[in-house]
Amino acid sequence: NAGVTQTPKFQVLKTGQSMTLQCAQDMNHEYMSWYRQDPGMGLRLIHYSVGAGITDQGEVPNGYNVSRSTTEDFPLRLLSAAPSQTSVYFCASSLLPASGKGYTFGSGTRLTVV
Amino acid sequence: ILNVEQSPQSLHVQEGDSTNFTCSFPSSNFYALHWYRWETAKSPEALFVMTLNGDEKKKGRISATLNTKEGYSYLYIKGSQPEDSATYLCAPNFGNEKLTFGTGTRLTIIP
Repeated sequence: NAGVTQTPKFQVLKTGQSMTLQCAQDMNHEYMSWYRQDPGMGLRLIHYSVGAGITDQGEVPNGYNVSRSTTEDFPLRLLSAAPSQTSVYFCASSLLPASGKGYTFGSGTRLTVV
Repeated sequence: ILNVEQSPQSLHVQEGDSTNFTCSFPSSNFYALHWYRWETAKSPEALFVMTLNGDEKKKGRISATLNTKEGYSYLYIKGSQPEDSATYLCAPNFGNEKLTFGTGTRLTIIP
């Protein structure tokens, strides 16, 4: 099993550009989520999904869009990149957290907006 | 925004010594508490998921306890080894499909 695959690993964007961070899992997990990690802030939830066709906002959703057309994929779109979006982004999946199972994380995408 | 606190923020421990650190969280509407281990340049890896008051989980030299009534969990490492150097994250779940992560305890083992 590949687990959770994130692409790209590194990206540099200019302010105002848009891009999509890809996340795919092959474990048939219902739950998928995106976090950003900033120094001193810990992991903060951006958006999450409990199944295909269902998405919801997390703690810091502004400037990001998501969609969940299949169980396997959960892309994160930056609409108009800003320097404040410079961060490391992690995708994570699990059976529904309410079932008490841990998350499986992707390897992360380091994004720099200049 | 839920307040999840981990202490200490960082810790240096001599190889072979035992250590422990704390995660505190709101006790109301509690459902589960997750612990993750996060090595530098890698992704967080799940250690434990605990749900019941008084729960104790163990994985090798690492164990954790849970007090849901007062809202805290302890993580213990016995006989620390260099490979234990990592950041340890806790994250409570309140039955709403989301985890709120603490900022972590950064553990460094001194050989």
